[in-house]
Amino acid sequence: RKEVEQDPGPFNVPEGATVAFNCTYSNSASQSFFWYRQDCRKEPKLLMSVYSSGNEDGRFTAQLNRASQYISLLIRDSKLSDSATYLCVVNRVTGGGNKLTFGTGTQLKVEL
Amino acid sequence: DAGVIQSPRHEVTEMGQEVTLRCKPISGHNSLFWYRQTMMRGLELLIYFNNNVPIDDSGMPEDRFSAKMPNASFSTLKIQPSEPRDSAVYFCASSFLAGKYEQYFGPGTRLTVT
Repeated sequence: RKEVEQDPGPFNVPEGATVAFNCTYSNSASQSFFWYRQDCRKEPKLLMSVYSSGNEDGRFTAQLNRASQYISLLIRDSKLSDSATYLCVVNRVTGGGNKLTFGTGTQLKVEL
Repeated sequence: DAGVIQSPRHEVTEMGQEVTLRCKPISGHNSLFWYRQTMMRGLELLIYFNNNVPIDDSGMPEDRFSAKMPNASFSTLKIQPSEPRDSAVYFCASSFLAGKYEQYFGPGTRLTVT
């Protein structure tokens, strides 16, 4: 089983729609969680951290359920510029420091 | 401010040749990571360094792969000999060792081995 699993998509949605991505992780020792965004043929960039209490950044809302080992990302009022691949990322502290594990990503296409 | 710098941006080589990828992390960052991304396997951590010391190289696929960080501002990833299955995008990322764990990625090197 992969350490971080995501639905690869693609999710094709009209502009203005609300879309939600889910992610599960297998290692209960994971300590912090993130969503990264990757545009086509570009490098991944941090979108937002995910906190247990849930957190919001504009149109983006992230949620964490530690009991179910489940992370979500909600995008409201989606824009054409939101089209990208969204990577679920889990951090675990090891003897040598922090180690990020990336999911394979969920592709979003926002259409007119 | 300059971000993570990688060179070359594209590399096409023949099977059996040596390939060297280069990375300059963000100044002041003390952790450096090498990743490989393919369609099939996604983004995989190959190796990372803290304060120029290799910490975890369990992701390095084979002995054909080696990485060095001779100083805080430079790292290399070498593949010798290269094989077609090494074709991928190789990313270098850097971060601060402590505090927030955001990693900043370079633009990547797109490697094609024919």
